[in-house]
Amino acid sequence: DIQMTQSPSSLSASVGDRVTITCRASQRISTYLNWYQQKPGNAPKLLIYAASKLQSGVPARFSGSGSGTDFTFSISSLQPEDFATYYCQQSYTGRTFGQGTKVEIK
Amino acid sequence: QLQLVQSGAEMRKPGSSVNVSCVASGGTFSSYAISWVRQAPGQGLEWLGGINPTFGTANYAQNFQGRVTITADNSTSTAYMELSSLRSEDTAVYYCARDRPYYGGDYYMDVWGKGTTVTVSS
Repeated sequence: DIQMTQSPSSLSASVGDRVTITCRASQRISTYLNWYQQKPGNAPKLLIYAASKLQSGVPARFSGSGSGTDFTFSISSLQPEDFATYYCQQSYTGRTFGQGTKVEIK
Repeated sequence: QLQLVQSGAEMRKPGSSVNVSCVASGGTFSSYAISWVRQAPGQGLEWLGGINPTFGTANYAQNFQGRVTITADNSTSTAYMELSSLRSEDTAVYYCARDRPYYGGDYYMDVWGKGTTVTVSS
């Protein structure tokens, strides 16, 4: 099975900050990597697919990059509605999620 | 716009089975795969498996092989997930999601059901 390792597991940031989350795959997965946002009590929401493609309707402050084993997700200017948990997910073989990164208010 | 409507909350005893349904409306059900993902209380997301309704072929996560069965009924646009030999650790919210292909080879889950809470307790 492909393992996905996210870091950090949590972070504290202020509105307007730039936030970066990394995700590492245990083997090469090309760009078969997606990012989701989840708020308490809600289903996950797709933000980025194919490592860097912005899902329709998602604000441009969200972005993703990377290929192979190392990936990065960024929020350019954190907004109040962005405080949530973020997950990476690979689709190269089966599906595996990272353990999540909780973004909290500083 | 495709919507996925899941069945209601379930309570089961250890050792029993549960069957959760996911009805697709507002879209073409057989065009895309359906994945099932669960989330235990306070924990992360875990993929159980998925099915391609067009071909009826399912694949499962290694952790759930032999214990989960995913099926689809194209006539009613419904996907089903049955989990057997339940234990307390299976207490979780179970989600279905459309697993959509990107031409470059990636698959992404872009439409999600609201989730079904399954509680396993004696």
